Amino acid sequence: DGGITQSPKYLFRKEGQNVTLSCEQNLNHDAMYWYRQDPGQGLRLIYYSQIVNDFQKGDIAEGYSVSREKKESFPLTVTSAQKNPTAFYLCASSMQNTGELFFGEGSRLTVL
Amino acid sequence: QKEVEQNSGPLSVPEGAIASLNCTYSDRVSQSFFWYRQYSGKSPELIMSIYSNGDKEDGRFTAQLNKASQYVSLLIRDSQPSDSATYLCAVARSNTGKLIFGQGTTLQVKP
Repeated sequence: DGGITQSPKYLFRKEGQNVTLSCEQNLNHDAMYWYRQDPGQGLRLIYYSQIVNDFQKGDIAEGYSVSREKKESFPLTVTSAQKNPTAFYLCASSMQNTGELFFGEGSRLTVL
Repeated sequence: QKEVEQNSGPLSVPEGAIASLNCTYSDRVSQSFFWYRQYSGKSPELIMSIYSNGDKEDGRFTAQLNKASQYVSLLIRDSQPSDSATYLCAVARSNTGKLIFGQGTTLQVKP
């Protein structure tokens, strides 16, 4: 079955540590996205990529980094520079510029 | 002013009633509009997309778009308890195509 797989589902981190969230898709989608969701709020765009080896900052990119070395993979690193990293992180993909996003199950990061 | 605004609710309706969810947006030249449903603790899923003024129906769901008023709505007919979720309105930015989400409206359908 085609879909998007995010891992881990739950992650705990100490302050000052970098963590990497995995996102893999087998939908053959060109575009991939990372969103962050805080309680009671909508989704905010962190980074997006429309093609391999290229990505752009979203609205809240500070303290995050990404790579897109393969079409299927778009990992997100939450660095120690991110001031308030505790959140629900959602990876999504779509056919190019359609706005019709398919989401993974999400990764819930808690900083202790 | 937020780019996409929704009333956070909760909106409570009895089972079998029509639920009406509303969204306004600020970018006058936006062309693409979407409704996503998100159950508690889960990821969003696309339920409707609309691109032209007027109504678009899919089963019990109807999306309505009024570009002149910068307003998009979602109607859910014959609401069921399983429709209880948060509904996110999303608008594609005209210059980039990136989706901007509202904060979501929580719908509660009471048996």
